[in-house]
Amino acid sequence: DGGITQSPKYLFRKEGQNVTLSCEQNLNHDAMYWYRQDPGQGLRLIYYSQIVNDFQKGDIAEGYSVSREKKESFPLTVTSAQKNPTAFYLCASSRRDGHYEQYFGPGTRLTVT
Amino acid sequence: AQKITQTQPGMFVQEKEAVTLDCTYDTSDPSYGLFWYKQPSSGEMIFLIYQGSYDQQNATEGRYSLNFQKARKSANLVISASQLGDSAMYFCAMREGMGYSSASKIIFGSGTRLSIRP
Repeated sequence: DGGITQSPKYLFRKEGQNVTLSCEQNLNHDAMYWYRQDPGQGLRLIYYSQIVNDFQKGDIAEGYSVSREKKESFPLTVTSAQKNPTAFYLCASSRRDGHYEQYFGPGTRLTVT
Repeated sequence: AQKITQTQPGMFVQEKEAVTLDCTYDTSDPSYGLFWYKQPSSGEMIFLIYQGSYDQQNATEGRYSLNFQKARKSANLVISASQLGDSAMYFCAMREGMGYSSASKIIFGSGTRLSIRP
């Protein structure tokens, strides 16, 4: 079955540690996205990529980094520079032209203490 | 800058009634797309309906329809005959620059929490 996988579902880290969230898709989509969601809030765009080896900052990129070495994979690193990293992180992918919806992964809930 | 506004943080509706969730947007790009997603308590995002800026007719998908008023920059979601399973967060989203070559981003509104009463 085609879809997006994110692992792990729950992640716990100590403050000051970098942590990488994985996102893999087998939908053959060119575009991939990372969003952050805080409790009771909407989705805020962290980074997005339209093609391999290229990505753009979203609205809240500070303290995060990404790579896009393969079409299928778009990992997100939450660095120690991110002041408030505890949140729900959602990865999505879509066709590159705009007439098609995004497909979302199940999300990773990150807790940093 | 593009912007999505959902002014209803929460709504309560009786089962089987119709409900309208409001969404207004702001963009200077003539080519854009509007999306609605549903997020149950499990956290997954479920695509509901899409409307392109050049579409002449309002989009419909089963019990969902999109009331698109371009001049008012409004894209309200209408759910007919609401069901208990419709209780969830609902998000409006927009993408500018719909062509293949454009590096466009998709942004979301703050959401509306819909609760259906039996």
